[in-house]
Amino acid sequence: DAKTTQPTSMDCAEGRAANLPCNHSTISGNEYVYWYRQIHSQGPQYIIHGLKNNETNEMASLIITEDRKSSTLILPHATLRDTAVYYCIVRRDSWGKFQFGAGTQVVVTP
Amino acid sequence: GAVVSQHPSWVICKSGTSVKIECRSLDFQATTMFWYRQFPKQSLMLMATSNEGSKATYEQGVEKDKFLINHASLTLSTLTVTSAHPEDSSFYICSAEQGAKNIQYFGAGTRLSVL
Repeated sequence: DAKTTQPTSMDCAEGRAANLPCNHSTISGNEYVYWYRQIHSQGPQYIIHGLKNNETNEMASLIITEDRKSSTLILPHATLRDTAVYYCIVRRDSWGKFQFGAGTQVVVTP
Repeated sequence: GAVVSQHPSWVICKSGTSVKIECRSLDFQATTMFWYRQFPKQSLMLMATSNEGSKATYEQGVEKDKFLINHASLTLSTLTVTSAHPEDSSFYICSAEQGAKNIQYFGAGTRLSVL
């Protein structure tokens, strides 16, 4: 599975949009992009995933570039409860295993 | 989202004893479940892939005789840490694949402390 590169940390102001980048330049055609987050001492929480089209759900939006080499997770109105480590993962098809990288530590401040 | 229940949430045991952790998918059937381990300030490391009705597939470096995995039904996988030692103390997390949605849902994790 392709590896991903994310910034180590990001700060975000409460109420503002948080834009989390992820590079996956070696992604192949059948690999999906997934985003999860992990709040301290809890299991990871699913946020969103996509293949090539942009996706939106009640939690976030996922923007994938046309060449699929990078993507951005957008939290439209960050709250203090969005403070967590955010993981961008790519995996093949629907049965592949996840390999977690270091993720991005997002801190939302008042 | 779908619910994956993990039990117990924390356990303390003496060195040399065995500990069993359960992972249940509550509202969907999961042919495939996964077990991860996470040390403090580190990311999740995949230990093994658990397939219902067949043997688990272990990642390189994970001792299959020490970490016994059983996936006897479509809603339950268990991880048994045998002859636990202090270095096995960690946060163990399971996940279950909901195939219809192509999503893995994670349990809340089990914190194991071996004295």
